[in-house]
Amino acid sequence: NAGVTQTPKFRVLKTGQSMTLLCAQDMNHEYMYWYRQDPGMGLRLIHYSVGEGTTAKGEVPDGYNVSRLKKQNFLLGLESAAPSQTSVYFCASSYSGGAAYEQYFGPGTRLTVT
Amino acid sequence: GQQLNQSPQSMFIQEGEDVSMNCTSSSIFNTWLWYKQDPGEGPVLLIALYKAGELTSNGRLTAQFGITRKDSFLNISASIPSDVGIYFCAGQLGGNKLVFGAGTILRVKS
Repeated sequence: NAGVTQTPKFRVLKTGQSMTLLCAQDMNHEYMYWYRQDPGMGLRLIHYSVGEGTTAKGEVPDGYNVSRLKKQNFLLGLESAAPSQTSVYFCASSYSGGAAYEQYFGPGTRLTVT
Repeated sequence: GQQLNQSPQSMFIQEGEDVSMNCTSSSIFNTWLWYKQDPGEGPVLLIALYKAGELTSNGRLTAQFGITRKDSFLNISASIPSDVGIYFCAGQLGGNKLVFGAGTILRVKS
């Protein structure tokens, strides 16, 4: 079991460029999440999905889009990157039902926008 | 949005010492969780607490769900060098979403 994997691990973008971050999980989890982590601010939820084909906004969704075409994958897109999107991005997944709050995290993607 | 106040922000302790950190909120939570993040890695779940007043242990770690449901604390006994990292509390308001504290950075002097 690989758990939750994320690609790429690092990326540098210029302002205005676009990119997609890929998250994959092999635990058959229904729920998947994208967070960003900034110094001194903990983890903030960007978007999440409660099942294949569904997505919803989290706390800080502006400037990001997501898609969940397959149960095991959750994509995070930046259409026009801005320096304020420099951050470490974490994907997580969880079961549905009573244990939905026990989230399992990937290793993160460190994104720098210049 | 909802905020969790986690303290202390950082601590630097001697190996072998016990450590305490806590998390408070103005909101009531249904579940409290504690995560640890090692440098360059994602957070890993340490302990999940489901009922007010619950006290749960995981090895040298002990966590409690406050009776008011607005706070939680984590204790680490006899700290060792591999305890270094960032410890996050998280609260579940409802559904499947979590709110995270800003983290406590733990450094251990060997």
